[in-house]
Amino acid sequence: NAGVTQTPKFRILKIGQSMTLQCTQDMNHNYMYWYRQDPGMGLKLIYYSVGAGITDKGEVPNGYNVSRSTTEDFPLRLELAAPSQTSVYFCASSLQGGGNQPQHFGDGTRLSIL
Amino acid sequence: EDKVVQSPLSLVVHEGDTVTLNCSYEVTNFRSLLWYKQEKKAPTFLFMLTSSGIEKKSGRLSSILDKKELFSILNITATQTGDSAIYLCAVAQGGSEKLVFGKGTKLTVNP
Repeated sequence: NAGVTQTPKFRILKIGQSMTLQCTQDMNHNYMYWYRQDPGMGLKLIYYSVGAGITDKGEVPNGYNVSRSTTEDFPLRLELAAPSQTSVYFCASSLQGGGNQPQHFGDGTRLSIL
Repeated sequence: EDKVVQSPLSLVVHEGDTVTLNCSYEVTNFRSLLWYKQEKKAPTFLFMLTSSGIEKKSGRLSSILDKKELFSILNITATQTGDSAIYLCAVAQGGSEKLVFGKGTKLTVNP
């Protein structure tokens, strides 16, 4: 049972480059989330999805885009990388939303923008 | 502004000690409070506390929720070096998908 799988684990980008962070889950969860974790700070919600075809903004969506074409996959796209986007990115999923079920996290992607 | 405050931010103990980690919150429309353990990678789920479940226990770990005073504690007895991690507290709000996270408590257990 793989749970939530994120790729890549590490990436270095140059300012202005684009990339997609991949996230897939095999638990048939409808709810999926993207967070960023900066040093010494709590996790901040970037985007979330309540099911295939439905996405919505979280606290810090600027500079990011998402799509949800299948239940399993929830990729996060950075269009024009900026140094402020250097962070660790976590994808999570849950069976139910609204705090009714716990969220389960992937191992994270460490991203550096230089 | 919704906020979750964890204390202490850092704690160093010896194996066998008992530790208490604190989490206070000011969040509108409280739904549930969650504790996670984060070692080098993914936060892993420990407990979820709601109005209908204000005390949870699993082995050496236990947690309580005080909805009146707006705080929770995570207790670890007979600590082991494997308990070394960052412990995250998060609060879920009804009608929202946002989890409000605290900054975490970094626990170091020395042999």
